[in-house]
Amino acid sequence: GAVVSQHPSWVICKSGTSVKIECRSLDFQATTMFWYRQFPKQSLMLMATSNEGSKATYEQGVEKDKFLINHASLTLSTLTVTSAHPEDSSFYICSERSGGSSYNEQFFGPGTRLTVL
Amino acid sequence: AQSVTQLDSQVPVFEEAPVELRCNYSSSVSVYLFWYVQYPNQGLQLLLKYLSGSTLVKGINGFEAEFNKSQTSFHLRKPSVHISDTAEYFCAVSKDTGRRALTFGSGTRLQVQP
Repeated sequence: GAVVSQHPSWVICKSGTSVKIECRSLDFQATTMFWYRQFPKQSLMLMATSNEGSKATYEQGVEKDKFLINHASLTLSTLTVTSAHPEDSSFYICSERSGGSSYNEQFFGPGTRLTVL
Repeated sequence: AQSVTQLDSQVPVFEEAPVELRCNYSSSVSVYLFWYVQYPNQGLQLLLKYLSGSTLVKGINGFEAEFNKSQTSFHLRKPSVHISDTAEYFCAVSKDTGRRALTFGSGTRLQVQP
């Protein structure tokens, strides 16, 4: 299957700062990437769908001005948490949807753990 | 909209015993069904998926699942578990049209004891 990397794997930042998380497709051109958030001991919740060359589609309740998504190329999508606060501390996971098949299977990155102090 | 219910938040089991993790879904359209495993501080790994065809699906690490359309279930089973199977297991569904983002269940923590 496809290989997806995320960077950094973990980050600690001060409240009020911005943090950028990168999601890279290492062996496939991903036209669509998904960003999920997972709070401790909870399931993954879809935040937004990132489409290459166009604006991201955000799920209800997710602030698009706070969670900036950029998908400038077929191999890279970035999520920037702006003015981070402790309640933004979470595990952020991206996935890519492969194209060219009858079903577009998703491949997940290893996740980025964000801790906001 | 679709939803997924995992009935058990935790399942303790002894090593080499069989296990079943339950998953029920609801959807007004046809769906694809998945089971993922998550080890501590790691991303998700696909165990198996049902897209079409045979309702009994075999996956990695000796796991299998059976799609039951009438009961809207997709329970995960393994005949003999190992300590290394201790992890969080997520059932997920995706519509067969549209964006196909995954909707996850709340997860089941499988704890295999020696």
